[in-house]
Amino acid sequence: DAGVIQSPRHEVTEMGQEVTLRCKPISGHNSLFWYRQTMMRGLELLIYFNNNVPIDDSGMPEDRFSAKMPNASFSTLKIQPSEPRDSAVYFCASSVLAGGGETQYFGPGTRLLVL
Amino acid sequence: GQQVMQIPQYQHVQEGEDFTTYCNSSTTLSNIQWYKQRPGGHPVFLIQLVKSGEVKKQKRLTFQFGEAKKNSSLHITATQTTDVGTYFCAGPGAGSYQLTFGKGTKLSVIP
Repeated sequence: DAGVIQSPRHEVTEMGQEVTLRCKPISGHNSLFWYRQTMMRGLELLIYFNNNVPIDDSGMPEDRFSAKMPNASFSTLKIQPSEPRDSAVYFCASSVLAGGGETQYFGPGTRLLVL
Repeated sequence: GQQVMQIPQYQHVQEGEDFTTYCNSSTTLSNIQWYKQRPGGHPVFLIQLVKSGEVKKQKRLTFQFGEAKKNSSLHITATQTTDVGTYFCAGPGAGSYQLTFGKGTKLSVIP
């Protein structure tokens, strides 16, 4: 079975450009999580969806960040405009939620560098 | 809000030495999970502990869940270079679907 799929795997862009990261969760999983990882701040939860509905976006750093999940098999995280401080590894993870705190399966990540 | 703290942040060991990382939560946890992230990789689920005082083993790895369900540990016996990576503990947030991750312990093994 395919795991969580993320694209692109690497992205280099210039400050001010729009960046769109994509994620395909594991089939049958009903929850999807977007994380950002940096050396300084570790693994930060940005937003998570349950049954395609955003549940908690309190981790989204600012209005430049937006996320959508139009259907059960696809989600995007968009940064517009991008800034150098957005450089990080962005992970998408999915899980099957029952009572809360279920195991999460991470994608390979998108390594973003904003120049 | 809930906090999950891990110590140490970094650990350098000689190959063959033992290694332990500790995880403490500010709240009681229904379960605790451990993940491993290899350099350049992504977090991968290792194990989940649910019961108070539970101990589970995976080959050279021993995981413990505290009696009060607020702390946990991961012990590796006789480390190998394949053990290199960052080990994260994570617990469910109170009343929420998300996991709160610790900042991880980065293990380096000197051959």
